[in-house]
Amino acid sequence: DARVTQTPRHKVTEMGQEVTMRCQPILGHNTVFWYRQTMMQGLELLAYFRNRAPLDDSGMPKDRFSAEMPDATLATLKIQPSEPRDSAVYFCASGLVPDGRSGMNTEAFFGQGTRLTVV
Amino acid sequence: RKEVEQDPGPFNVPEGATVAFNCTYSNSASQSFFWYRQDCRKEPKLLMSVYSSGNEDGRFTAQLNRASQYISLLIRDSKLSDSATYLCVVGGFKTIFGAGTRLFVKA
Repeated sequence: DARVTQTPRHKVTEMGQEVTMRCQPILGHNTVFWYRQTMMQGLELLAYFRNRAPLDDSGMPKDRFSAEMPDATLATLKIQPSEPRDSAVYFCASGLVPDGRSGMNTEAFFGQGTRLTVV
Repeated sequence: RKEVEQDPGPFNVPEGATVAFNCTYSNSASQSFFWYRQDCRKEPKLLMSVYSSGNEDGRFTAQLNRASQYISLLIRDSKLSDSATYLCVVGGFKTIFGAGTRLFVKA
C-alpha cells in the first residue's frame, strides 16, 4: 500500500534550535508539496517541487525556512532558527502531474504530518 | 483576498439532513478542482474531483461554476460519520487549499 511517509511524527524543540522534517513521497510521483496547518491559518502552501526542482516557495519565510529534494525519494524542510510561531502541523504531499500539464489534476496524497511544537 | 475562500462553519445538522458547502476561487485560470475531507488530527484525503459537468458519488454531489468561480459540495442524507472538515482545493500552477468548512452531524 503506497503512502507518503513523514518523520518525525512529533517534535518538541526549544526556540532557536534547528528542526529538520523529512518526507518520502510515493515512488513514481513527480510532484511534492509542503504545507503548514494551524488553527488560525488553515493549510498554507510553503513549497512545491516538480521533478525535484523547486517551482514555487513563495509561501515560505526565506530567512529561516529551506526546502530541498536531495533525491527523488527524499524531501526535507528545515527551520533554522525555530521560533514558537512555527508551531504547527507540517504536511508533505505527493502526486503525479502528466507531462505538459502545469498543475495538479489528480489526487495529492498526504503524509500523516509532523506535529511541531517550539517552546 | 484569499485565493480560495470557504465559510468556516461550523455547520451543525441532524442525521438525514442535506447540507451544502460553497467555495470561491480568485484565479480564473485554475484548471482542476477537488473536495478533500480531513478528520480531526488526521491528514486530508481526497473526497472527490469536481468536473465541469458536475459529478455525483453516492450521497455526494459536486458542482463547478466557472463563470462565477465557485464550486459546491452537496451531502444528502447526512451520517454521523460525515462529521469532518471539508476542504475545497483549486489546482493550477499551485494547488491551493481552502481553510475548510467544519461539519458536525448530530444523532
